[in-house]
Amino acid sequence: SQTIHQWPATLVQPVGSPLSLECTVEGTSNPNLYWYRQAAGRGLQLLFYSVGIGQISSEVPQNLSASRPQDRQFILSSKKLLLSDSGFYLCAWKETGGNYGYTFGSGTRLTVV
Amino acid sequence: RKEVEQDPGPFNVPEGATVAFNCTYSNSASQSFFWYRQDCRKEPKLLMSVYSSGNEDGRFTAQLNRASQYISLLIRDSKLSDSATYLCVVNMGWTNAGKSTFGDGTTLTVKP
Repeated sequence: SQTIHQWPATLVQPVGSPLSLECTVEGTSNPNLYWYRQAAGRGLQLLFYSVGIGQISSEVPQNLSASRPQDRQFILSSKKLLLSDSGFYLCAWKETGGNYGYTFGSGTRLTVV
Repeated sequence: RKEVEQDPGPFNVPEGATVAFNCTYSNSASQSFFWYRQDCRKEPKLLMSVYSSGNEDGRFTAQLNRASQYISLLIRDSKLSDSATYLCVVNMGWTNAGKSTFGDGTTLTVKP
């Protein structure tokens, strides 16, 4: 069966520090991968998605970036965090070629102080 | 106008009640539809897909009305454990890398 792992679960970082969140998927090949952010009390905002290794599409211009160095690995990064980067970050995957629902990782709650 | 709109609630209902949520979407080319459940401070989890003919899973019934561009979720015989935020999700299909747009969610609290 397919599983998705996301870490860390909680992170407190100072303004201006770098960020690296990692997500890996097991039990499937060539998944579509996504990074979402959810601000407190708000809906999910799509940040990045990837349909293959090295293929990244950005939905919202910001100081975050994403990379997909391996088929089942998706990384969210920032060189310098802003206060506004605080939120609940969720990695998700779905099968390619079809109208399927997402499976989400357990999320990372980031607080920038 | 948001692409996907939901009544934020909160809906406060007694145990055993029937409650319904609606969700409207703006893009008529939307191809697939889902309801997710999100517990406080947890990740969303897929509750059910929504099919054109309507579908039922136990106490939960989902309906799609393409002409009016809305989907609905009906929960019968509400349980305390149904308390959560329910997210409406619209998918533009494989031609858009399977990207989905989420509503902001409807909060349900079921009380004893």
